[in-house]
Amino acid sequence: AQKVTQAQTEISVVEKEDVTLDCVYETRDTIYYLFWYKQPPSGELVFLIRRNSFDEQNEISGRYSWNFQKSTSSFNFTITASQVVDSAVYFCALSEKAYNQGGKLIFGQGTELSVKP
Amino acid sequence: SAVISQKPSRDICQRGTSLTIQCQVDSQVTMMFWYRQQPGQSLTLIATANQGSEATYESGFVIDKFPISRPNLTFSTLTVSNMSPEDSSIYLCSVGGQGNQPQHFGDGTRLSIL
Repeated sequence: AQKVTQAQTEISVVEKEDVTLDCVYETRDTIYYLFWYKQPPSGELVFLIRRNSFDEQNEISGRYSWNFQKSTSSFNFTITASQVVDSAVYFCALSEKAYNQGGKLIFGQGTELSVKP
Repeated sequence: SAVISQKPSRDICQRGTSLTIQCQVDSQVTMMFWYRQQPGQSLTLIATANQGSEATYESGFVIDKFPISRPNLTFSTLTVSNMSPEDSSIYLCSVGGQGNQPQHFGDGTRLSIL
């Protein structure tokens, strides 16, 4: 069965610190998709990144970077030089099908990140 | 990515009543998904809505409680029926683009039941 575990319920850092959010997943499929979403206090869900299981290249986008390791079934998210605006709940999610094939998202429990000035 | 509009954005309802949430997309999409996020919790899929067919419900969710309509490729509604305080949640609709595009979400409907 599919499962996503975000063991860190809450993280608090001071601005400019680097922070890593952990995500561990379980799936029996060889083809799957991993996602990170951000949910700021306003409540909307903002898509950050999607990775396919056959693409293990790490990705960097500005201050954000993602480390995908199939060997440990992990898809961790690092924010470099955190800012107050990064304060939000971050969700890791898994889908075993592409969206247009009925790929529903299985979400982790979320990690609430608080960045203090 | 598609622009998704959800209405209402929030509502406070009385126990025993029903509320219909609308989701409008600015482009045609095959599948739409409805999720629920209970207070302080993660998101859980309620059902998948395909145009022209019955919605597919996840375990723990039934059509009598959460009837869904999908009259065309740009619109869907979710009704929360006979509401109780346990139904107080954020309800979100989600769509994706063509091919392997990721799912994007509407801004959600914050529902409180008194």
